[in-house]
Amino acid sequence: SQQGEEDPQALSIQEGENATMNCSYKTSINNLLWYRQNSGRGLVHLILIRSKEREKHSGRLRVTLDTSKKSSSLLITASRAADTASYFCATAPPGGNKLTFGTGTQLKVEL
Amino acid sequence: GAVVSQHPSWVICKSGTSVKIECRSLDFQATTMFWYRQFPKQSLMLMATSNEGSKATYEQGVEKDKFLINHASLTLSTLTVTSAHPEDSSFYICSARGYYEQYFGPGTRLTVT
Repeated sequence: SQQGEEDPQALSIQEGENATMNCSYKTSINNLLWYRQNSGRGLVHLILIRSKEREKHSGRLRVTLDTSKKSSSLLITASRAADTASYFCATAPPGGNKLTFGTGTQLKVEL
Repeated sequence: GAVVSQHPSWVICKSGTSVKIECRSLDFQATTMFWYRQFPKQSLMLMATSNEGSKATYEQGVEKDKFLINHASLTLSTLTVTSAHPEDSSFYICSARGYYEQYFGPGTRLTVT
């Protein structure tokens, strides 16, 4: 399987704290994407980072990419209860359009 | 942003029956759509790539005769689960490839009794 690994599998934090999720993948990539999925719902695209980029910000989100280690991290700062969801990374190979998803991290932000 | 819809959002059917799930790109044309399957608390697994006007490309281990995919137009792809069994119960998600990225539908919850 080409599926990537994410850790932790589950993360529980208090509102206001930062949440960090890590993603590792196996093959060369063109892009790496992060998605959020609320329970029983579809995926929401959060951020895309290209293979030549090392860091990207979007609001309270910060994504890093280390292609030498085949890993990425997603940092959510000042978390809110509404951030409670599953978070998945997905990779797109060079020249291809099929996304391969990581195993996901279930984030719970408590009041 | 681009919107992808799925219909129905949930369906319950009896063993042995067939179920059709529709995936539509509402405000853009998609020559390529993807069908994923997701079990509870697990990741998305790609089932097949649906190409407008041609046969779908199935991932290894996915039975093409059981999961029939038809991409009849640039805005519609359908997945038909034939002779459904309880083990086919799952969350099915489609996505449509736009110019810049893939857009995901809200998913269809299939329960086979």
